[in-house]
Amino acid sequence: EVQLVESGGGLVKPGGSLRLSCAASGFTFSGYSVNWVRQAPGRGLEWVSSISTTSDYIYYADSVKGRFTISRDNAKSSLFLQMNSLRDEDTAVYYCARDGNWNYAKYYFDYWGQGTLVTVSS
Amino acid sequence: QSALTQPASVSGSPGQSITISCTGTSSDVGGYNFVSWYQQHPGKAPKVMIYDVTLRPSGLSNRFSGSKSGNTASLTISGLQAEDEADYYCSSYSRSRSLVFGGGTKLTVL
Repeated sequence: EVQLVESGGGLVKPGGSLRLSCAASGFTFSGYSVNWVRQAPGRGLEWVSSISTTSDYIYYADSVKGRFTISRDNAKSSLFLQMNSLRDEDTAVYYCARDGNWNYAKYYFDYWGQGTLVTVSS
Repeated sequence: QSALTQPASVSGSPGQSITISCTGTSSDVGGYNFVSWYQQHPGKAPKVMIYDVTLRPSGLSNRFSGSKSGNTASLTISGLQAEDEADYYCSSYSRSRSLVFGGGTKLTVL
């Protein structure tokens, strides 16, 4: 069974940092691009970042570029998001999501984690 | 402001059909066949319903179908059921921003 389990969320002050993790199981993690998608309370979905199978291709939304860093460890089937210089507007549930296509991204997400809540507040 | 435009809400009675539109530009919806649709129930993670404009994941009901014309994609749900009541989001690959979502549409089954 495919599973994605996020962790690392919590309360942080503006300007602070947080590192999210996503533990994958039930599939060959190294064969899929993976993404972070967030959802602010009561709001819609916002794509945050994606990383290809071998980390050669990394993309960010303009809203987080220069502040967030995505990475992965294929040996440990894990995805990470280092979030620096956090702002109030980064408050959201952060989901880890797998691209639905083997090897190269087709930009749809067939498996999602349950999400981890990040709250940025003083 | 969301990159793709969806109606805020749609409604229909059980058994009826509804269509949700998703309007973008030639740089996203109109330029690529990488349009997807997601269903999200309150407090749950999104679930993919349609990908590559028209394709359904294995095992998904054929009551859900997708299409595209120009810069506008559409999700049609036929034979509405109470469990279809949820929020629906479209998404598309975007040449400038990698992936963009619509603002979401709340479907109410009357």
